[in-house]
Amino acid sequence: KAGVTQTPRYLIKTRGQQVTLSCSPISGHRSVSWYQQTPGQGLQFLFEYFSETQRNKGNFPGRFSGRQFSNSRSEMNVSTLELGDSALYLCASSEGPGGSGNTIYFGEGSWLTVV
Amino acid sequence: KNEVEQSPQNLTAQEGEFITINCSYSVGISALHWLQQHPGGGIVSLFMLSSGKKKHGRLIATINIQEKHSSLHITASHPRDSAVYICAVRIGNQFYFGTGTSLTVIP
Repeated sequence: KAGVTQTPRYLIKTRGQQVTLSCSPISGHRSVSWYQQTPGQGLQFLFEYFSETQRNKGNFPGRFSGRQFSNSRSEMNVSTLELGDSALYLCASSEGPGGSGNTIYFGEGSWLTVV
Repeated sequence: KNEVEQSPQNLTAQEGEFITINCSYSVGISALHWLQQHPGGGIVSLFMLSSGKKKHGRLIATINIQEKHSSLHITASHPRDSAVYICAVRIGNQFYFGTGTSLTVIP
């Protein structure tokens, strides 16, 4: 069974631009969650989707958004990029909503550099 | 205020040593996860605990719900165990992460 796939793996963007990251969960998994990891703040929860509905959202500004499609694939978008958005963005999937007794499986992440 | 506190931040051990990493959290949780992150970014979920103890190979994870504390133990440590270990908890609808413990096992 293929793991969680994230694309692109690496990208460089300019301040003010927007970026879209993609995540394909493990087949059969309906829950997808997104995280940001920076050296200063560590891992932080962005949002969680289950069956195309956003269930939870972390403490991030509205520039960070996401969605989930009917095939459970998910995208996250960051608009008006700032230098501080440079980070590793990780996606994880699980069979059911996270925290409800389901193991979560992480992708390799997308490294975003904003210049 | 950090909802999740991990210790130690850094740990160096000789191959074969017994290792303990600690995690404390501030409020009631539904589950606690221990994660392993190798250089390059990939994260692997090692354990998910809501009570008691779990064992997988040389790894053991325990949780004490009353004391709001969990430990990850590595027996007979090996250089390939070198990684960052992260404790994560779900509080309400949010996930919170510890700052991680960077473990280096020297041959």
